[in-house]
Amino acid sequence: QKEVEQNSGPLSVPEGAIASLNCTYSDRGSQSFFWYRQYSGKSPELIMFIYSNGDKEDGRFTAQLNKASQYVSLLIRDSQPSDSATYLCAVKDDYKLSFGAGTTVTVRA
Amino acid sequence: GAGVSQSPRYKVAKRGQDVALRCDPISGHVSLFWYQQALGQGPEFLTYFQNEAQLDKSGLPSDRFFAERPEGSVSTLKIQRTQQEDSAVYLCASSLTGISGNTIYFGEGSWLTVV
Repeated sequence: QKEVEQNSGPLSVPEGAIASLNCTYSDRGSQSFFWYRQYSGKSPELIMFIYSNGDKEDGRFTAQLNKASQYVSLLIRDSQPSDSATYLCAVKDDYKLSFGAGTTVTVRA
Repeated sequence: GAGVSQSPRYKVAKRGQDVALRCDPISGHVSLFWYQQALGQGPEFLTYFQNEAQLDKSGLPSDRFFAERPEGSVSTLKIQRTQQEDSAVYLCASSLTGISGNTIYFGEGSWLTVV
C-alpha cells in the first residue's frame, strides 16, 4: 500500500483568500495524482487530476506536482463558504487509489 | 442509473451479526472497487473486480469479509460475525476500465455501525 500523507488541518481561511493544501507520497514511481472533495456525510468527488510535473489549472483550482520532491498540492483561489469540506489527496497505481487522511478546510464568511 | 448506487445507506448491526452491502455501479463500467472509510480517515482499499473476476482482494481485513460480483454488474460485500471495529462507511466505486486515466466514481456509501 502506497503511503500518502496530508496535514489533517483544520485549515481555516477567510472568504476570498487562497487555501493551500499539501500532500506527499512515498512511491517515487507513482504517476497519477488526484484531489477529491468530500462534504460531511457524502461521497468523495473528483475535482482535479494531474499526471505531469508543473501546474494544472481548472477554474479556481490549481494542482501542482513535483515528482522529484514527491509532492502534490492544491490551491483554491477566491475561497467560498461552499468550499468548506475535506480534501483528499490520492495516488493511483494501475487501478488502485491510495488516499491520504484528508485535510479539512473551513472558509469563514 | 446515473451514478453508483449503494444500499442500505445506514445499517446498525449487533456484534456477531452478518451483514450484506449492495453496490450497483454505473451501467457499462467494467471496474468495481470497495473501500472502507473510518471516521476521520481517508478511504482504504478493500477489493477490486474487473467484470466478474475479483483481481485483488488484498485489502480485505480478515476472512470475515467477502465480496462477489457474479454477473459482472451488481456487487455485494458481506461481513460475517461483525465486530465493533468493522464500524465504518463502506464505499463502492466504479470506472469504465481500471487503467490510469479513467475517472473513478464513488457511491454515497453504506454506513455500518456495530453495537
